[in-house]
Amino acid sequence: DSGVTQTPKHLITATGQRVTLRCSPRSGDLSVYWYQQSLDQGLQFLIQYYNGEERAKGNILERFSAQQFPDLHSELNLSSLELGDSALYFCASSVATYRWGVWSYNEQFFGPGTRLTVL
Amino acid sequence: GQQLNQSPQSMFIQEGEDVSMNCTSSSIFNTWLWYKQEPGEGPVLLIALYKAGELTSNGRLTAQFGITRKDSFLNISASIPSDVGIYFCAGPDSGAGSYQLTFGKGTKLSVIP
Repeated sequence: DSGVTQTPKHLITATGQRVTLRCSPRSGDLSVYWYQQSLDQGLQFLIQYYNGEERAKGNILERFSAQQFPDLHSELNLSSLELGDSALYFCASSVATYRWGVWSYNEQFFGPGTRLTVL
Repeated sequence: GQQLNQSPQSMFIQEGEDVSMNCTSSSIFNTWLWYKQEPGEGPVLLIALYKAGELTSNGRLTAQFGITRKDSFLNISASIPSDVGIYFCAGPDSGAGSYQLTFGKGTKLSVIP
């Protein structure tokens, strides 16, 4: 158990709909990352939040958005869903680690994921 | 963007055998991470490497940070059935305060009892 929780575990919806995925990071972790995993694209970074602020964006579609709340949980909103959005969506969190004289947030711990199926 | 190439893509081994897999990049990484993913689960962090030449073990797993900083290796000794899964290497894009990870496509390991 990584300490990162995600709900729901499974989500089945129709094209054109909107869904919200929820993530709670490990206790004390300020950074939250969202990733998409599909068979053809592998694990792809979507977006990062740090202490409520957006820090970086990856290959995230304009139909997708996210936010991090004051209690540090995060939500990923997917709208106007298409068949191709079917994938596993993972949330990860990280905490600062000090190794070889350098601080970093590289060690990310992943939640169990939400499997989204768009019909 | 950065790309990580993992090999082999898949491997079938007998229980008790040692396993080697590697990950290469066209660009330099300052950190290498190795994850394992089992069906229906999220990736689990196995080993993190921070320094060129670093050799780190986690039980039967040993990983090395290549001295060119463009590759990393993961070895599993005396494999057991629970080693089955997909092993991913990953490296961070540390620009502008982000630590987003780039992942390889994975090495799928099957262990024959």
